[in-house]
Amino acid sequence: GEQVEQLPSILRVQEGSSASINCTYENSASNYFPWYKQEPGENPKLIIDIRSNMERKQTQGLIVLLDKKAKRFSLHITDTQPGDSAMYFCAASAASSGSWQLIFGSGTQLTVMP
Amino acid sequence: DMKVTQMPRYLIKRMGENVLLECGQDMSHETMYWYRQDPGLGLQLIYISYDVDSNSEGDIPKGYRVSRKKREHFSLILDSAKTNQTSVYFCASSPGTSNTEVFFGKGTRLTVV
Repeated sequence: GEQVEQLPSILRVQEGSSASINCTYENSASNYFPWYKQEPGENPKLIIDIRSNMERKQTQGLIVLLDKKAKRFSLHITDTQPGDSAMYFCAASAASSGSWQLIFGSGTQLTVMP
Repeated sequence: DMKVTQMPRYLIKRMGENVLLECGQDMSHETMYWYRQDPGLGLQLIYISYDVDSNSEGDIPKGYRVSRKKREHFSLILDSAKTNQTSVYFCASSPGTSNTEVFFGKGTRLTVV
């Protein structure tokens, strides 16, 4: 099936620096790209998303960039804090049986060191 | 408060036993999902349900079946559980077939021994 590749799988940064996670997708028809944050023992929660009619979206220290030509999108966390430490998943929409589903990347474990 | 509720949260079963994982949502969402999460593999889709009695296989349906008799309730059944089905299972829901947020439950950690 279709895949979303997510890199890196592990990311350690110093508090106050920025962190970047990159994802690539296969289906040029994908038009919705959410990012989920999952804290230990918790459910994944949506933190930001971008649709294909945009190239950049920013909210509360998070920036998402979308390059449709390269089928690549990325999450940038500025001024990281220890509370940003978590697992992050990217996802891309994909058509399936006349409807759609999300294909998830394999996740990035982000650790922000004090 | 919009919620996806999963029961039980933790479950230990012996190999060969049947397993029933329950999921409910209070948002009247049409679409519901079952995922499993394993280290390094992310979230893999087992089954998707578009509405009552309208279910489709996801990427890894083998060894699983589902039941959706009411819009707010979606069950995952493992007939004769195997040790390789030890995982964390997440139920999720979304408003429909448009590209919108998917809401996840808190997961069920299943151990098959």
